[in-house]
Amino acid sequence: NAGVTQTPKFQVLKTGQSMTLQCAQDMNHEYMSWYRQDPGMGLRLIHYSVGAGITDQGEVPNGYNVSRSTTEDFPLRLLSAAPSQTSVYFCASRRDRSNTGELFFGEGSRLTVL
Amino acid sequence: GQSLEQPSEVTAVEGAIVQINCTYQTSGFYGLSWYQQHDGGAPTFLSYNALDGLEETGRFSSFLSRSDSYGYLLLQELQMKDSASYFCAVAVYNQGGKLIFGQGTELSVKP
Repeated sequence: NAGVTQTPKFQVLKTGQSMTLQCAQDMNHEYMSWYRQDPGMGLRLIHYSVGAGITDQGEVPNGYNVSRSTTEDFPLRLLSAAPSQTSVYFCASRRDRSNTGELFFGEGSRLTVL
Repeated sequence: GQSLEQPSEVTAVEGAIVQINCTYQTSGFYGLSWYQQHDGGAPTFLSYNALDGLEETGRFSSFLSRSDSYGYLLLQELQMKDSASYFCAVAVYNQGGKLIFGQGTELSVKP
């Protein structure tokens, strides 16, 4: 099982550019989410989805868009990158909304905005 | 809203026991989870407390007291490989069980 796969692993952008971080899971999980991690800030929730066609905002949603057209995929879009979005991004999934224990994380995408 | 507080750093020696505390303020949650992260890699799940009390998994135990808004992770027989960051997290009621994390505790195990 591949689990949760994130691409790209590393990316450098210029201010104002847009890009999409891809996330795919092969575990048939209903719940998927995106976090960003900055030094000393822990993991902060950006957006999450409890199933295909359903998304909601987390703690720090500004500057990011998501969609969930399939169970497997949950891309994160940066509309106009800013240096404040330099961070490590983690995608994570869980079996369903009622299984509130274990999240499975991807390996992370390291984004630098110049 | 939700907030979770953890110590930023803890140091202990190999073979010892260490406790990492987590205090929280939240309007309602399903349970308290703990995750481990090595060197900025993918966080991995350690334990989950849905009910008050102690859950034991090998060398690791986790405790929850809802009346005290408090939980902890207990690591016994510390090994060098336990040096990592540890995060507590709550799964929030009525919001898809979304997980909100604390800022993390960096554990350093010394020989």
